Amino acid sequence: ETGVTQSPTHLIKTRGQQVTLRCSSQSGHNTVSWYQQALGQGPQFIFQYYREEENGRGNFPPRFSGLQFPNYSSELNVNALELDDSALYLCASSLVWSRGTEAFFGQGTRLTVV
Amino acid sequence: AQTVTQSQPEMSVQEAETVTLSCTYDTSESNYYLFWYKQPPSRQMILVIRQEAYKQQNATENRFSVNFQKAAKSFSLKISDSQLGDTAMYFCAFMKHKLASGTYKYIFGTGTRLKVLA
Repeated sequence: ETGVTQSPTHLIKTRGQQVTLRCSSQSGHNTVSWYQQALGQGPQFIFQYYREEENGRGNFPPRFSGLQFPNYSSELNVNALELDDSALYLCASSLVWSRGTEAFFGQGTRLTVV
Repeated sequence: AQTVTQSQPEMSVQEAETVTLSCTYDTSESNYYLFWYKQPPSRQMILVIRQEAYKQQNATENRFSVNFQKAAKSFSLKISDSQLGDTAMYFCAFMKHKLASGTYKYIFGTGTRLKVLA
């Protein structure tokens, strides 16, 4: 157990809908990142939040957005869902400024878009 | 841009034997970190081992060790005395920590599915 929890574990949505995924970071960690893992692929970096602001983003469109709350929990929001958004979404928390830091991952949310 | 390549989609090994998973990467950076993560069917990514590029000594964690060849940009994982619980997807990952902004991200390979046979 890493102390990073995600909810829900599974979700089915219809194309065009909006979805919110949630993550509770490990205690003491001030940074959260989100990754998308398509079937048979490695995780792809979506974005990172530090002190409630986005401070890094991968190659994902603006309909992917997020929030980080003062208690270091986080949300990933996806608008106008597309079939290709079907994937496992992983949240990872870490402590920034700790050289050689590593991320601790949650168990993921499996999103299916139909 | 950095890339990570894992050329072995699937591997199998007999219990108690040794197996080596391959990983190569491409970067122009000189300071970075390399990781091996394990993803069992439970889906949670678990850190197996970490290597800092400025350290020449290969990292070791119990039955897991790496062969880090910086010039060749190679980072293989050796699992000794394989156990049934080692069955999982293994991902090689690269990370460049941008200290100025605090931004960091992992770049993952496509993974190797390892099956340990009884």
